[in-house]
Amino acid sequence: GAVVSQHPSRVICKSGTSVKIECRSLDFQATTMFWYRQFPKQSLMLMATSNEGSKATYEQGVEKDKFLINHASLTLSTLTVTSAHPEDSSFYICSASVAQAIAFFGQGTRLTVV
Amino acid sequence: KQEVTQIPAALSVPEGENLVLNCSFTDSAIYNLQWFRQDPGKGLTSLLLIQSSQREQTSGRLNASLDKSSGRSTLYIAASQPGDSATYLCAVPKIGFQKLVFGTGTRLLVSP
Repeated sequence: GAVVSQHPSRVICKSGTSVKIECRSLDFQATTMFWYRQFPKQSLMLMATSNEGSKATYEQGVEKDKFLINHASLTLSTLTVTSAHPEDSSFYICSASVAQAIAFFGQGTRLTVV
Repeated sequence: KQEVTQIPAALSVPEGENLVLNCSFTDSAIYNLQWFRQDPGKGLTSLLLIQSSQREQTSGRLNASLDKSSGRSTLYIAASQPGDSATYLCAVPKIGFQKLVFGTGTRLLVSP
């Protein structure tokens, strides 16, 4: 089956710094990748849709200048949390979709901002 | 706007019981429906995918059904085991879109 790798799995950073999270499709080309955020004991909420070679589409309420998304190739999308604050602490998960809207998910990244 | 709800929110059962998890969605114009499993602090594992034209899918002890007209899906787990303990999420993409709308999840605990 298709494999999506997310890195790092866990990161702790100081308030005010930026953190980059990578999402890679290892054995297929993903023209579209998605970034989700999950607060404790809550479901996943879509943050943005990332299309290779074009600007990401952000969901309502998501600050595009704070959550920078780059999809430079068909196998890599990155999410950068800029000027992170404690309220940005969350579980971030990416997914890559292939035909028929089948979604494959990464392992997630636990971000803690101290 | 698509809304997906799962009932119950939490479930605790002894090992061996057969279980039914429920998922309902407000917009029946879906392309398919997926059931996922999420272990604490981990990503998602896809369990079953039901296309909109199908009524059910089976994988091992898992069986998922779909009734588009009523906006419902059920996940049936037979002979539950402690290793089944996890959060189960259902998700649907709206036709024409690949992004998923997730349900609220059911936290399952199977005790030995």
